[in-house]
Amino acid sequence: DTAVSQTPKYLVTQMGNDKSIKCEQNLGHDTMYWYKQDSKKFLKIMFSYNNKELIINETVPNRFSPKSPDKAHLNLHINSLELGDSAVYFCASSPRGSTEAFFGQGTRLTVV
Amino acid sequence: GENVEQHPSTLSVQEGDSAVIKCTYSDSASNYFPWYKQELGKRPQLIIDIRSNVGEKKDQRIAVTLNKTAKHFSLHITETQPEDSAVYFCAARRGYGGSQGNLIFGKGTKLSVKP
Repeated sequence: DTAVSQTPKYLVTQMGNDKSIKCEQNLGHDTMYWYKQDSKKFLKIMFSYNNKELIINETVPNRFSPKSPDKAHLNLHINSLELGDSAVYFCASSPRGSTEAFFGQGTRLTVV
Repeated sequence: GENVEQHPSTLSVQEGDSAVIKCTYSDSASNYFPWYKQELGKRPQLIIDIRSNVGEKKDQRIAVTLNKTAKHFSLHITETQPEDSAVYFCAARRGYGGSQGNLIFGKGTKLSVKP
């Protein structure tokens, strides 16, 4: 299936741990994103990555870092997890010159 | 930067009625305005979008209108059905590449259609 896929779908972890969420798109898109959706359903951009150019939302703590091993992957690493990091994290991608963003199925992160 | 306001936060209608969701944006350079539908536990999916050179766009029961002067755009759903129940997000975008390419979302509207 052509899609944006994220793993894992659910992630429960303790405070202080370091975790990663993987994202892969086989759509041949040029730009990938990470969004955070909090408990109030607010979708907020965290990062966008296009051709090795990383744009970081200034409100994102530096404990969060995206890693792109290649054009089809944009993984999210989170260090020293905090309770407030609990949310659903969505990966998305867009083709060059297009405006539509295709979302992955989301990763529900719960920090206990 | 861009700021998108969305109203109402919740909307309940009877099946068959119309639903209207409104958004305003702050950046006059924004030129693309999509609407996403997110069903419970699922990913946001694009349902309709409009560019700044168009005032209105329609796709079956859904339509979007854009008023560039007032910097607001609206989603209209006619003949609502229970399967229209979801959270709807408006968004705005300036262009392509860099931070301009990021979608800035409104806070969402939870639409409930009662049979």
